[in-house]
Order: sequence, then C-alpha cells, then structure tokens
Amino acid sequence: QKEVEQNSGPLSVPEGAIASLNCTYSDRGSQSFFWYRQYSGKSPELIMFIYSNGDKEDGRFTAQLNKASQYVSLLIRDSQPSDSATYLCARISGNTPLVFGKGTRLSVIA
Amino acid sequence: GAVVSQHPSRVICKSGTSVKIECRSLDFQATTMFWYRQFPKQSLMLMATSNEGSKATYEQGVEKDKFLINHASLTLSTLTVTSAHPEDSSFYICSARDPSGSGTDTQYFGPGTRLTVL
Repeated sequence: QKEVEQNSGPLSVPEGAIASLNCTYSDRGSQSFFWYRQYSGKSPELIMFIYSNGDKEDGRFTAQLNKASQYVSLLIRDSQPSDSATYLCARISGNTPLVFGKGTRLSVIA
Repeated sequence: GAVVSQHPSRVICKSGTSVKIECRSLDFQATTMFWYRQFPKQSLMLMATSNEGSKATYEQGVEKDKFLINHASLTLSTLTVTSAHPEDSSFYICSARDPSGSGTDTQYFGPGTRLTVL
C-alpha cells in the first residue's frame, strides 16, 4: 500500500472555479502535511502546511485535514491558468524525510 | 518562506568526469538537508538524507561511493556525482529542513540542478 496517494489527474477546471485536490495517507503516526506546487521543469515550491484537524486558509488556498479519515485536501479558489502545475501532497512523522505522493496534475482552462 | 539556493543551475559534462553541486540555506540553519533526483515526467526520488557533521544516510539502491554527500556546515551541503555517465543525467534537487517554523519543521527546496552527461 502506497503511503501517500493522490489521483494523478489531469484535473481540469475552468478559470475562476474551485479546484479540489485530494490526498490520503496510510500512516496514522503522520504528524504534519504539506502541499507543494511544481511547475514543469522546476523544483517544488511550498504552498502551505497543516497539522491540526480542520481548515487552514492562506489567500486563495485552503488546506483541510481530517486525521480520523486520513485525508488531506487543498482547495484553490478562483483558479487561474497560472495555477496549472503538479501539486504534491507530503506527510512527515518525527524526523523522517517527507513522504510524497506522486502528485496531481492540475490544468486551469482559460 | 525560507530560501534555499543551489549551484550550478545547469551543468553539461563529459562522461567520466565528476560534478559537484552545492546547496545552501540562506536565511536559516539546516541541520538536515535532503538530496532528490527527478527524471522527466517522474516523481521525486529521495537519494539521501544529509545531517550536519555526520555521514549521510542513503536510500536503498543509491550508490554512496558514486554520490558523495558532504554536510560541512549548518548552511551548506554538497553532492558530488563521481565518474558521471549518461544515465546520471537528471534533475537534482536539494531540500533543507527549517526547524524554526511555527508548529512544525518545514522543508524548502532549492531551484534544482539539471545535469547532462554527454
């Protein structure tokens, strides 16, 4: 069983819509969760992290964590074509390296 | 967020030569740095974890004698690809853990180094 699972996509949404990216994890000991954005040919860029159950908002981005369901999501409001990228979900437990999902490719259509 | 730099951004070398890549945390001290490799259209692959002042921990299947890692200070880690071959051509990305974040350690990535071995 993969530790962090994401739908590979592509997920296509029209400009201005809400994009919803989902991630599940298997290790209940996971403590913190991260969302990174990676444009083609570039390195990952941290968008936000969350470690408490509930929602965390930062601008157009909202991360949601449900530890009981082992589920993390990222909502992008008012999606823009510049949001088109691969979004990586990752989790960490203690001092271990980040464990990444394979990423979801998002395409925002103008 | 914190800044991690990487140098060089791109390098082309002949087969058999060695290439050194530097990774620096610019505005925080990173006791732990990580080295990843990514082939086109594939996922990030963790190569090794580098701890300041100690030997790196390599992931299974990564040759430690080929990929030499040195983490000499709290802000600098280097990866040396020794006797590079065309199959080593890839995108190498370093990452540094910032322990000063609010509530959790946060890992920031450098911009990456694209290595092409001819």
